[in-house]
This record gives sequence, C-alpha cells and structure tokens, in this order.
Amino acid sequence: AQSVTQLGSHVSVSEGALVLLRCNYSSSVPPYLFWYVQYPNQGLQLLLKYTSAATLVKGINGFEAEFKKSETSFHLTKPSAHMSDAAEYFCAVSSKRGGGNKLTFGTGTQLKVEL
Amino acid sequence: GAGVSQSPRYKVAKRGQDVALRCDPISGHVSLFWYQQALGQGPEFLTYFQNEAQLDKSGLPSDRFFAERPEGSVSTLKIQRTQQEDSAVYLCASSFEGVGTGELFFGEGSRLTVL
Repeated sequence: AQSVTQLGSHVSVSEGALVLLRCNYSSSVPPYLFWYVQYPNQGLQLLLKYTSAATLVKGINGFEAEFKKSETSFHLTKPSAHMSDAAEYFCAVSSKRGGGNKLTFGTGTQLKVEL
Repeated sequence: GAGVSQSPRYKVAKRGQDVALRCDPISGHVSLFWYQQALGQGPEFLTYFQNEAQLDKSGLPSDRFFAERPEGSVSTLKIQRTQQEDSAVYLCASSFEGVGTGELFFGEGSRLTVL
C-alpha cells in the first residue's frame, strides 16, 4: 500500500520568502511522486512529477522538488513566494505498475502568502 | 475538448434522491478516474476506467455508487439514495496512457450537497 503524509495543513509565508511544503511517502515499490495545486473552486493542476529520472524536478511557476530516497521525502520549494501562489497543494504517489495512474493523495497544505 | 468537463458544477439533492454526475474527458484519453474530495481533505480514489472497461472500483464506498463509461469516452457517476455523508466534490480526471504514470488532467469538479 502507498501513502503520503503532508506535514502542516496550513503554512504562512511572507511575499518574497522561501516556500517549503513537506511531503513524506510510503511505498513498497519505487514510487512516482507528484505535486498538484488547487485554486479555489478549480480542479487540480500538475505542478511537477518525479518518475525516476533526475532527483531534482523543476515544475511550473518556479516550483521545484527533490526526491530523497533515504528520507522518503519529496518536499516542494520555491525560492520567493508570490501572492498568486496562495492555494492548496497536494502531494500524491502512484505505483509504476499497472492499473493506470491511480494516485493516492495527501490531505493537502493550504499556503497563505502575506504582504 | 480542450479540457476535462464536468457537469453539473453544483448539485443540491434531498436525502434519498438519486444523482448523476457527468464527465467528458479530453478527447483520445484512454484512462478515466473518479475521485471524491470531502471538505478539507485530499481527493480519495473511487474508480478507474480504461476505455469502456472498469478495471478498478475498489474505492466506491457502497453499492449506492455506480459508474459507467459505455463507449469509452463520457462517463457518468451515479449515486442512489443519497445520504448526507455523500456531500463532497466529485473530481473526474483523464490520462492518455492506458497504463503507466502519465499526468492526470482534472476537471473542476461537481460539488454535491445533500440536505
């Protein structure tokens, strides 16, 4: 069984400050890992994904994440927060094996960006 | 179409009513998923189709939930005899690959409120 744990249901940063959203995974097979962003009343949009190529993954809107097998982590970072980054962020894991791309999501982290 | 389209966006039902939620995936996408997202939670997997075949329905919470995709494109999620605990946003997602780890493209969701 696979799962992800997102530490911190709410994170608040100042505009221009570093954004760090934490995600730890549990998987019995090498995982594929994803970060999605959800703006109010909208669907989920893919930020970035790790699929066993480079461990440092760059995504849209200046976000990146690093896969660390030894720490079973896939934390999301952005060097400088912008007001438009305020949203809910979900980490997700899937197996490389068959069954389509069934994703298991974390409970989400609400990011607030303050002036 | 340009994206995954879901209808209705909002649905209010009285307890005991039947509801049907529609998903129109991106043209040519083989895989289709339904997720349930309760308030303040991450999306929870309900069911998965590859073309018209329902390959995984392990997440459907009860036999009141039924999904179909008869022609391998549009899908309908039906909930019979709705209960208050069914209140949630129902997300549909599609993906091009039949198996593997391709990106999921999500619709904006159908918000169901059961009174």
